Amino acid sequence: LAKTTQPISMDSYEGQEVNITCSHNNIATNDYITWYQQFPSQGPRFIIQGYKTKVTNEVASLFIPADRKSSTLSLPRVSLSDTAVYYCLVGDVTGSQGNLIFGKGTKLSVKP
Amino acid sequence: ETGVTQSPTHLIKTRGQQVTLRCSSQSGHNTVSWYQQALGQGPQFIFQYYREEENGRGNFPPRFSGLQFPNYSSELNVNALELDDSALYLCASSLAQGPSPLHFGNGTRLTVT
Repeated sequence: LAKTTQPISMDSYEGQEVNITCSHNNIATNDYITWYQQFPSQGPRFIIQGYKTKVTNEVASLFIPADRKSSTLSLPRVSLSDTAVYYCLVGDVTGSQGNLIFGKGTKLSVKP
Repeated sequence: ETGVTQSPTHLIKTRGQQVTLRCSSQSGHNTVSWYQQALGQGPQFIFQYYREEENGRGNFPPRFSGLQFPNYSSELNVNALELDDSALYLCASSLAQGPSPLHFGNGTRLTVT
């Protein structure tokens, strides 16, 4: 299972774009990259998932370079409610999907 | 669409006791995973169930056991509770066919005294 490395914390201000980069040098061919958001005393919430290039949904974009050894979660125009811990996970979706390795995540603090 | 629900939300037990936590999967999901999250840490994988059988397990001792029922709901049982078992226990459901993101409940906060 591929291990991920991401910054422990980041600060931003309301209205700014936030980019959180995750390194996963040992990513395997079958691995997908998934990002989750977690608020205190709640379960992680799925944000976005991708395999290569760029994926965009209503809340975020995910950029994955050709070598797939890193990925960047982009949150446009953050608000105070985006203050949370963000986890980058890499997992083989053809096998035991539940066995995902969570690191400590990136604690994002959005200030007014 | 009904999300993942867990019960109870909070629980206090004494060291040495046994506990059962319950989880109802999101409708249409056939796979359930359980995670333990200590304060300030990321969730740690305990095990996963598919078709009522365990098909993946993390680094947890045998006193952590589980069940999955025909309606895909699940239980996590922990015997001989230890102080270090105090944590948030998260249940997540997904589809067996990938890629299928995990959908988490809000967890059960277990305190062992």
